This record gives sequence, C-alpha cells and structure tokens, in this order.
Amino acid sequence: QSALTQPASVSGSPGQSITISCTDTSSDGGAYNYISWYQQQSGKAPKLIIYDVSTRPSGVSQRFSGSKSGNAASLTISGLQAEDEADYYCSAHTSSKTRVFGGGTKLTVL
Amino acid sequence: EVQLVQSGAEVKKPGATVKISCKVSGYTFTDYYIHWVQQAPGKGLEWMGLVDPEDGETRYAEKFQGRVTLTADRSEDTAYMELTSLRSGDTAVYYCARQPVYYYYHIDVWGKGTTVIVSS
Repeated sequence: QSALTQPASVSGSPGQSITISCTDTSSDGGAYNYISWYQQQSGKAPKLIIYDVSTRPSGVSQRFSGSKSGNAASLTISGLQAEDEADYYCSAHTSSKTRVFGGGTKLTVL
Repeated sequence: EVQLVQSGAEVKKPGATVKISCKVSGYTFTDYYIHWVQQAPGKGLEWMGLVDPEDGETRYAEKFQGRVTLTADRSEDTAYMELTSLRSGDTAVYYCARQPVYYYYHIDVWGKGTTVIVSS
C-alpha cells in the first residue's frame, strides 16, 4: 500500500479548475519534501508536470500548479481542457534514496 | 535530445527470467540515476528500484527484493532490469526513467516502456 494517498478519480467541466490531493500517510508523515507530479495519457509514458512541490518544467502549461501544506500536496489544473484528461500521479523521493508513487487519480473532463 | 530507448516486447512463460535494456543518449549517463517502474494492466505506477550508473549502487523496493537485479553498463550507456521467477502478476509495462544524481529529486524523463507478458 502506497504511503501517498490520492483520490481514485476527479472530474470537471471544460474551463473549470480541479484539485488533486496527495496525502502522506507514512509513519513519519510530512517527511516528503520533494513531491513531483506526472501526467499519463492513455497508452503513453508518464510526463513530468511539477517537481519540488510547485515548480513547472519548461514547456508545461501555466494552468498546472502545485502546493503543499503539512503532510498533503496538491495539484491544481485551471481552465480545464479536454486534453487534460489523463491519469495523474504524485511521487516522492525518500531519505533512503527510494521512491514512492501515489495510487494515481483519473481525471475525467466532462 | 535526451532519449531512453527500451528493448522490445517480451513473452515469457511462468518461472522464466526477463531482461530489459534501456539505452540512453543525449546526456552523461553517470549524471543520472536510472529508475525502473512497473505498471500492470489498468493499474498504477509501482517503483521497483534504481541503479546509480556511476558505481552500480542499487536500491530495491521491498516487493521486488530478491527477484529483481538492476545493472548499468557504462561502456554502452545502457541500464538493465532482470526479473526472475516470472508469474502472471508480472505481466506489465516496465518503464525506465532518469533522475539527476545531484541537486534534484525528481524523475524528469521516461522511456516509452517495454511490455512483458507472462503466459503459459
């Protein structure tokens, strides 16, 4: 069972904003400081969209933003577009140099 | 252009071993860890382990410990993932991906994935 918990699904209409949470449920909750987010469209490899909690890589739309409060990180997508429909995963690097992924959230654009 | 090119799809029988390669280009091999991630059909991403191409140091997820071996060949700029004692539950797409060794703690580039089917 992943130490990062995400909702299984979220949905929104075009133009709306949605937020996906990623809660650290590890025994030392809140220890993951380097949260990253990945978008995986159907049949494709994941793509980095946010790293270090809130930094967008070059080329990623400003509609994607990240934040963290306590033991919960969040990904917000504003101005939803049909092309945003995908699975989204949070991930963290651990102090023992291992990596953990959240269970993933399926975003449906209505 | 940074690329991680994975070997082709494999079909294996239960109990067999599979070895997948991940050849990198466009960057210095030893500046990035190589991670391996499993994705079973319809399921999420599951981290398997990482290898440091500089010195071969590895870390493995508990779930795969003892069945997976990660290696890196610096002369070929290629990383390998070997999974033994295959069972039907290992049917999945396997991705290699890179993470900077220094200063950053995220995976930034992924390979396209290798499909492994385990079936009798």
